Amino acid sequence: GGIITQTPKFLIGQEGQKLTLKCQQNFNHDTMYWYRQDSGKGLRLIYYSITENDLQKGDLSEGYDASREKKSSFSLTVTSAQKNEMAVFLCASTSDRGGYEQYFGPGTRLTVL
Amino acid sequence: GEQVEQLPSILRVQEGSSASINCTYENSASNYFPWYKQEPGENPKLIIDIRSNMERKQTQGLIVLLDKKAKRFSLHITDTQPGDSAMYFCAARPQGGRALIFGTGTTVSVSP
Repeated sequence: GGIITQTPKFLIGQEGQKLTLKCQQNFNHDTMYWYRQDSGKGLRLIYYSITENDLQKGDLSEGYDASREKKSSFSLTVTSAQKNEMAVFLCASTSDRGGYEQYFGPGTRLTVL
Repeated sequence: GEQVEQLPSILRVQEGSSASINCTYENSASNYFPWYKQEPGENPKLIIDIRSNMERKQTQGLIVLLDKKAKRFSLHITDTQPGDSAMYFCAARPQGGRALIFGTGTTVSVSP
């Protein structure tokens, strides 16, 4: 088994601030993902990465940057936080060798004042 | 971009009855269809999945059906319990793609 950890669990920012969220996985999975989930809503893909230093845009990439520093870690930067923004950012990972199962981390809850 | 349509958005059932959620997808080459359960304040958890070489899969009170011709798949929760109350998401993975396309979710509420 393995685990996905996300830090921080809660993030409070100011309007216009640059904020970074981090994700680590020890599944040795190849592909990692960042999703945004607004309250009571579905999952929207921001970025994903199929290997170290790779980056692929999802439907919601505008306003975000991402970085796959190494196979086990994938970080997401909110380039300029929007006032009254509230959402949960979910990191996920998948192995591309045989199985397609995608597992999610516990999430980072963002509040922008 | 491609979409997965999920219906209904809200489903209220009596304990002991069954609950059914339906999803349709656009890309006929999609080959993997997982279902996730998300409880309030928690992350989505994979509960069952089916690949395109199967039409039916069953595990622990859950049944998934896949109709490739109609590009439709469904989740059936048999003998629902209050613990089945949650948000459920379907998803589809296009063949050769790395990203899942998620449905918009169904809130299932099981009343005693």
